[in-house]
Amino acid sequence: KAGVTQTPRYLIKTRGQQVTLSCSPISGHRSVSWYQQTPGQGLQFLFEYFSETQRNKGNFPGRFSGRQFSNSRSEMNVSTLELGDSALYLCASSFNTDPPTGELFFGEGSRLTVL
Amino acid sequence: SQKIEQNSEALNIQEGKTATLTCNYTNYSPAYLQWYRQDPGRGPVFLLLIRENEKEKRKERLKVTFDTTLKQSLFHITASQPADSATYLCALVPPILSGSARQLTFGSGTQLTVLP
Repeated sequence: KAGVTQTPRYLIKTRGQQVTLSCSPISGHRSVSWYQQTPGQGLQFLFEYFSETQRNKGNFPGRFSGRQFSNSRSEMNVSTLELGDSALYLCASSFNTDPPTGELFFGEGSRLTVL
Repeated sequence: SQKIEQNSEALNIQEGKTATLTCNYTNYSPAYLQWYRQDPGRGPVFLLLIRENEKEKRKERLKVTFDTTLKQSLFHITASQPADSATYLCALVPPILSGSARQLTFGSGTQLTVLP
């Protein structure tokens, strides 16, 4: 069974640009969550999607957005990039999680560097 | 909101010893608590889940305890090996009536190094 796949693995952008990250969950998983990980803040919850609907959202500005497609694949977008957006962005999938009691299966992450 | 503290940013122990990592939380008691392992540059990997009505959970060399009175979970690795070196994260899900978003909230992690 293939794991969670995130693309791209690494990318470099400059301030003001926008970026789109992609996540393919494990087959059969309908919930996809996104996290931002930085050395100073640790893992911070961005948002969670289930059946193409955003079910939960963390405390991030509106520059961070996401969506989920009918095949459960998800994308997140960050517009008007700032230096502080440099981080490892992790996607995690799971079975129906309301409440999210089961384990999360994480991808390897997308390492974003903003110059 | 819930605050999670993992004591010791870093912990060094000798091979063969038992490593004990601590996770403390404030405010309400979570319905569930999970532990993950993360290696550098990789995504976290699930290890164990313990429910609020469970005192202890074991899996091979791993043991997790959950004390809702102390608002604390302890994570033990017995007979530790250098391959156990990694960052260990605790995570919890707020209970339904907490008013918080039903999302997995992570502690900052403890970096464990097992010395040969």
